[in-house]
Amino acid sequence: KQEVTQIPAALSVPEGENLVLNCSFTDSAIYNLQWFRQDPGKGLTSLLLIQSSQREQTSGRLNASLDKSSGRSTLYIAASQPGDSATYLCAVRYWDSSYKLIFGSGTRLLVRP
Amino acid sequence: AAGVIQSPRHLIKEKRETATLKCYPIPRHDTVYWYQQGPGQDPQFLISFYEKMQSDKGSIPDRFSAQQFSDYHSELNMSSLELGDSALYFCASSPDPSSGNTIYFGEGSWLTVV
Repeated sequence: KQEVTQIPAALSVPEGENLVLNCSFTDSAIYNLQWFRQDPGKGLTSLLLIQSSQREQTSGRLNASLDKSSGRSTLYIAASQPGDSATYLCAVRYWDSSYKLIFGSGTRLLVRP
Repeated sequence: AAGVIQSPRHLIKEKRETATLKCYPIPRHDTVYWYQQGPGQDPQFLISFYEKMQSDKGSIPDRFSAQQFSDYHSELNMSSLELGDSALYFCASSPDPSSGNTIYFGEGSWLTVV
């Protein structure tokens, strides 16, 4: 069964800290992996997309890495700000010809001023 | 830039009623996806369409149906509503999925069944 797991479920850090969010997946035959941000009651904002042939992607203070062999992806947030407070979800698309994304349960991040 | 547009944003229905959600994908995106996110849950895939044909089906109840129209907009029809159908329903779109492009989500439609 294809599953996506995110650890930790919740994280509270003081402003300015660098932090790492983890995502693991059970099947290494992934097509790509996408990181999203979700504010309470809001939609999903795409942050980064990593193709299976890539090892990392960067956008501003965000850096996402992908290690297919170990079934892991990490989202690194540099110099965290209170505005980064949100739930971060990773989602995996597999090579089984399905178009759907399989989501993790998310990491709820609170950045304290 | 244009995003995925969903309507209505909020909907309240009684049990056993019917609801229809609409989705307008980003221009030139030919693939539409529907997801359901229950309270405190991660989004669950319901169904997708590519070029107006159903391309994949997930955990969509038989009471639900969906289609994609000639202008690429999509509608999710939900009948015999149950309390457990209360959730945030997302529509997402992307260009040809075989190209592995980013999938963009709308703001969602909140459905409350009372």
